[in-house]
Amino acid sequence: AQTVTQSQPEMSVQEAETVTLSCTYDTSESDYYLFWYKQPPSRQMILVIRQEAYKQQNATENRFSVNFQKAAKSFSLKISDSQLGDAAMYFCAYDTSGTYKYIFGTGTRLKVLA
Amino acid sequence: DAGVIQSPRHEVTEMGQEVTLRCKPISGHNSLFWYRQTMMRGLELLIYFNNNVPIDDSGMPEDRFSAKMPNASFSTLKIQPSEPRDSAVYFCASSFWGKAQGYTFGSGTRLTVV
Repeated sequence: AQTVTQSQPEMSVQEAETVTLSCTYDTSESDYYLFWYKQPPSRQMILVIRQEAYKQQNATENRFSVNFQKAAKSFSLKISDSQLGDAAMYFCAYDTSGTYKYIFGTGTRLKVLA
Repeated sequence: DAGVIQSPRHEVTEMGQEVTLRCKPISGHNSLFWYRQTMMRGLELLIYFNNNVPIDDSGMPEDRFSAKMPNASFSTLKIQPSEPRDSAVYFCASSFWGKAQGYTFGSGTRLTVV
């Protein structure tokens, strides 16, 4: 069975600095998708970035980028120029192509210090 | 688009009462998902629909839980009778089936059963 592990329950970063959140997963599939979701105190889950496993190139969305290492089954999220509004829970999610049943990690709480 | 709309935002009910949670997916999305979030168990997929048809309800915890999607623009999750252990945040999400673009979540319903 597939699993998703986020080993950092909590992280802190100074405003304007860069932080990396870790995610590892276990699967025997070759075709899948990976996502990072943000959950601010407002509670709504917001899609931050997605990565298709067959693509070598790391996804980027403005200040957010991923480091996707398929062989190592690692999918970390880098947030550059951190802002106070980035403070939230961040969840890594895995989707086996064809099932659409996401497997979520336990989340990392990010604190941004002014 | 107004996004995925859930109601109510908060619900407090007494044990044994029937609870109905409502969801309006994004227009044009053809898949809908119900998730439950708790501190202990994280995000759990309860059930999902494709083109209004339930595809997988293996995550529904007990017969007390039921979900319907009578048309493409409306779904309900019902708990009857409710129990204190059902207290959680319930999320509805929608997406395009087969696109793996990631879910769009609603703001969730925080259910408290006393």
